[in-house]
Amino acid sequence: AQSVTQPDIHITVSEGASLELRCNYSYGATPYLFWYVQSPGQGLQLLLKYFSGDTLVQGIKGFEAEFKRSQSSFNLRKPSVHWSDAAEYFCAVGALEGKLIFGQGTELSVKP
Amino acid sequence: DTGVSQNPRHKITKRGQNVTFRCDPISEHNRLYWYRQTLGQGPEFLTYFQNEAQLEKSRLLSDRFSAERPKGSFSTLEIQRTEQGDSAMYLCASSGDGNQPQHFGDGTRLSIL
Repeated sequence: AQSVTQPDIHITVSEGASLELRCNYSYGATPYLFWYVQSPGQGLQLLLKYFSGDTLVQGIKGFEAEFKRSQSSFNLRKPSVHWSDAAEYFCAVGALEGKLIFGQGTELSVKP
Repeated sequence: DTGVSQNPRHKITKRGQNVTFRCDPISEHNRLYWYRQTLGQGPEFLTYFQNEAQLEKSRLLSDRFSAERPKGSFSTLEIQRTEQGDSAMYLCASSGDGNQPQHFGDGTRLSIL
């Protein structure tokens, strides 16, 4: 069955520190992978996507993610976190007909 | 590109009442999706449309739920005889064909008293 696992429910980092959010997926074919961010009471904003090609993809707001087929992972990274990055982050895999299967989410808190 | 618009933003209703939500997708997008998100969880797929055709429905979409996209533009999601368990954020998204990224609205938060 198709699924996405985000092992970390909540992460706290200091402002200026680096960040890595983990995502593992289970999908039979070549996956289309996405990271979205959600602020409280808001919808989801696309950070980046992987369809094919270069396994390191760049997104908005200084985020990047690396697709590792051997590990079934698509971890999100940012070299230096800003206080405004505090939000909920969702990893998703695109299934047939384009519907998205989301992970449970990782809530990011940023310490000043 | 004015983005995906959802109305209302919040809906409070008594158990047993019917509610209807509206979604206006990005105008050139053929595909429209509905998701449900409960507290502390990721969004769960409910149904999707390719133009006016409803092509897939999740088993989460009980008989009390119905969705339409009559002219391939806006969509409505109706819940009949609401139950406590229907309390959630209902998100709409739209996209072009294939696995083009989905753009989400800000959602409708439903609270059942």
